[in-house]
Amino acid sequence: TQLLEQSPQFLSIQEGENLTVYCNSSSVFSSLQWYRQEPGEGPVLLVTVVTGGEVKKLKRLTFQFGDARKDSSLHITAAQPGDTGLYLCAGTKSGNTPLVFGKGTRLSVIA
Amino acid sequence: NAGVTQTPKFQVLKTGQSMTLQCAQDMNHEYMSWYRQDPGMGLRLIHYSVGAGITDQGEVPNGYNVSRSTTEDFPLRLLSAAPSQTSVYFCASSYSGAPRRTEAFFGQGTRLTVV
Repeated sequence: TQLLEQSPQFLSIQEGENLTVYCNSSSVFSSLQWYRQEPGEGPVLLVTVVTGGEVKKLKRLTFQFGDARKDSSLHITAAQPGDTGLYLCAGTKSGNTPLVFGKGTRLSVIA
Repeated sequence: NAGVTQTPKFQVLKTGQSMTLQCAQDMNHEYMSWYRQDPGMGLRLIHYSVGAGITDQGEVPNGYNVSRSTTEDFPLRLLSAAPSQTSVYFCASSYSGAPRRTEAFFGQGTRLTVV
């Protein structure tokens, strides 16, 4: 059973479009993170959210943590080809438990 | 600052062979983990360690052993390689389990093929 469910699994859009990626769970997490991974590389952290309802912005990327701390979303405004990659959400249930990852959303932005 | 270093980057093994994937970090991080990444499966946790001398199993531990004799090193041993262990392996480290400090730093991965 996957603890963190990501949707969609694949997304192909045109440059300039907006998109939202979702990360859902039936469990409560003390924190959720979003990573981006490029081919041949390890994942790199984009953001960490720890407070229910928290919203963080990173240029054209907006991250939200659900009020109940069971879900998160990543919204990209005016997508660019450089946004292409695998987006992974990851969470930890408490301070002493390891990070668990969702299966990822593979995004392709076409110029 | 090297961060997390994994060796080798590529490896081909025959079924039944054993080998050790090396992982070293120079950030004095307490937490270290091993994940495997397969197409469509995301990152699945194999083993992890919360400090030197302490290890625990993750989601998919069978066929793998780990030890943590120093803070810096966390090797992953494949006991008797099987084709099902063909995957990309990532080592990660983080400062601690505190929510805002759990940023995981990853190595570049080891692509393992078992034939």
